Amino acid sequence: AQRVTQPEKLLSVFKGAPVELKCNYSYSGSPELFWYVQYSRQRLQLLLRHISRESIKGFTADLNKGETSFHLKKPFAQEEDSAMYYCALSAGNNRKLIWGLGTSLAVNP
Amino acid sequence: NAGVTQTPKFRILKIGQSMTLQCAQDMNHNYMYWYRQDPGMGLKLIYYSVGAGITDKGEVPNGYNVSRSTTEDFPLRLELAAPSQTSVYFCASGGNYGYTFGSGTRLTVV
Repeated sequence: AQRVTQPEKLLSVFKGAPVELKCNYSYSGSPELFWYVQYSRQRLQLLLRHISRESIKGFTADLNKGETSFHLKKPFAQEEDSAMYYCALSAGNNRKLIWGLGTSLAVNP
Repeated sequence: NAGVTQTPKFRILKIGQSMTLQCAQDMNHNYMYWYRQDPGMGLKLIYYSVGAGITDKGEVPNGYNVSRSTTEDFPLRLELAAPSQTSVYFCASGGNYGYTFGSGTRLTVV
């Protein structure tokens, strides 16, 4: 079955600390994976796609097919990174995304 | 460059009333989606469309209807509103680079 798992509902770190938001997926084909971010009471925004292999706002994510993971990392967390983060998997021609339940990141001063 | 525009931003409905949530995109995307977001439950797909004239059910379609007469517009209709439909509704359109979301409609059914 196609599934995206974000094992942490809440992650709390101090400003300047490294942060890693975990995402594991289950998919038999070649996955296309995304990270979306939602700041308080705002719309979801695309943060990263694994295909583009870019760094946005200091965040990076590497697709590990062996571990079926797409963890989101940032070496030094900032208070403005506090938000809800969703991992999503694109599977199929209709571009439907399969979503994780999200991880709420709180960066404390 | 408006992207995805949703209206209204907020609405309070009484049980049994109906309403239409509007969604329009100007990116010429074929794929459009309606989600509801409930606390701790993530995003649930209500309906989606792969092009004008084509719609299909998502995970939680009961109590909702959609239409897609043009590429730009994808309205979501609630008939006979129920308290269980209290939620935040997001419309999205999909391109090659991922989804673009609207700003959401916060709906309360009382």
